[in-house]
Amino acid sequence: GAVVSQHPSWVICKSGTSVKIECRSLDFQATTMFWYRQFPKQSLMLMATSNEGSKATYEQGVEKDKFLINHASLTLSTLTVTSAHPEDSSFYICSARDLGQGAGEQYFGPGTRLTVT
Amino acid sequence: GENVEQHPSTLSVQEGDSAVIKCTYSDSASNYFPWYKQELGKGPQLIIDIRSNVGEKKDQRIAVTLNKTAKHFSLHITETQPEDSAVYFCAASIGGYGNNRLAFGKGNQVVVIP
Repeated sequence: GAVVSQHPSWVICKSGTSVKIECRSLDFQATTMFWYRQFPKQSLMLMATSNEGSKATYEQGVEKDKFLINHASLTLSTLTVTSAHPEDSSFYICSARDLGQGAGEQYFGPGTRLTVT
Repeated sequence: GENVEQHPSTLSVQEGDSAVIKCTYSDSASNYFPWYKQELGKGPQLIIDIRSNVGEKKDQRIAVTLNKTAKHFSLHITETQPEDSAVYFCAASIGGYGNNRLAFGKGNQVVVIP
């Protein structure tokens, strides 16, 4: 149980284009999902908290107009990187909180490797 | 905000020996402390967690201890195997009960030498 998937697993795009990443909880419902980015050999940095049916909450320093988040259902959240630039190249990972568990458990997806050329 | 420090940054152990990773946190309101294992190119995998009302938790070869007074918690891996080689991250909940966000340590590269 507690499986989270991401699509695509990797993507290469040209500078100036937009890229959408999907995060799905496969066998549980998640009112809250989280989006992280991770640079090589570094820790996970929380970008935003995605709440089903409401606006996402962004961490300080993260541009909400650049990283658009939509949490349309209890099993799907999407992150769109708009007008991507080479500095946006990173490993993007989502996590989902299982409603059936107590406070806190987060299960991570396999990540999406974004390369902007 | 919450600040999570993780030590050491790298750890090499002989197969069969034990490995211990320590983390400290700053926010006394933190009440949930998970540990994640991340293999190269993959997402983090939850391996064990502990809540603030418990001092120790064990799951087969893995255990976690929590000292709330000192604000530190540790991961213990016994009888290490080559497949335990990975990066391990500790995390602490940000804020009090019901707050779901996590702050992560910088990670620890564990290498198990066969």
